[in-house]
Amino acid sequence: KQEVTQIPAALSVPEGENLVLNCSFTDSAIYNLQWFRQDPGKGLTSLLLIQSSQREQTSGRLNASLDKSSGRSTLYIAASQPGDSATYLCAVFNQETSGSRLTFGEGTQLTVNP
Amino acid sequence: GAVVSQHPSRVICKSGTSVKIECRSLDFQATTMFWYRQFPKQSLMLMATSNEGSKATYEQGVEKDKFLINHASLTLSTLTVTSAHPEDSSFYICSAAGGYYNSPLHFGNGTRLTVT
Repeated sequence: KQEVTQIPAALSVPEGENLVLNCSFTDSAIYNLQWFRQDPGKGLTSLLLIQSSQREQTSGRLNASLDKSSGRSTLYIAASQPGDSATYLCAVFNQETSGSRLTFGEGTQLTVNP
Repeated sequence: GAVVSQHPSRVICKSGTSVKIECRSLDFQATTMFWYRQFPKQSLMLMATSNEGSKATYEQGVEKDKFLINHASLTLSTLTVTSAHPEDSSFYICSAAGGYYNSPLHFGNGTRLTVT
């Protein structure tokens, strides 16, 4: 059964700092990995999707990398802003005997202080 | 881009009543839809997976008679919380996937259910 772990659970940084969020997963036979953002009481916003054959994806100030063999992904946020404050979730999509499923990590709660 | 519409966004109901939550894919055909539940300060927990035209597959510990899922078309799935109780109060989120295994998942904005 796939397990996804995110470190750290919470992170507080001053505005302008570059930061890295970590995600690890136990079963490397994945289809893809996604990073999401969730604001309090809201749904999820997809940030980046990395297919299993890809190494990284970039969108604006965000860069996500994937090392499937080691079961790791990182989300790099450059020049952080207070508006980046949210919970960041990574999730892996893979096939299990019960069917395809998306497994989420517990999330990293990010606070960017002005 | 692809959009998933979830309705209602908030619902308050009395204990013992049933509540229906709708999840629609607006510009793509969703062969698979997932329903998640999220308790405060916790991550999303998968409740069930539904494929169009077939019965939903429920995760261990989720009562299928209490959480009725219907995926009658390629653009609509519904979750009905039957005989709701205060402990069912939670945030429910649906997601939808297209027909390919590497399709991204798109999420609704969630439904905040409060049972009084």
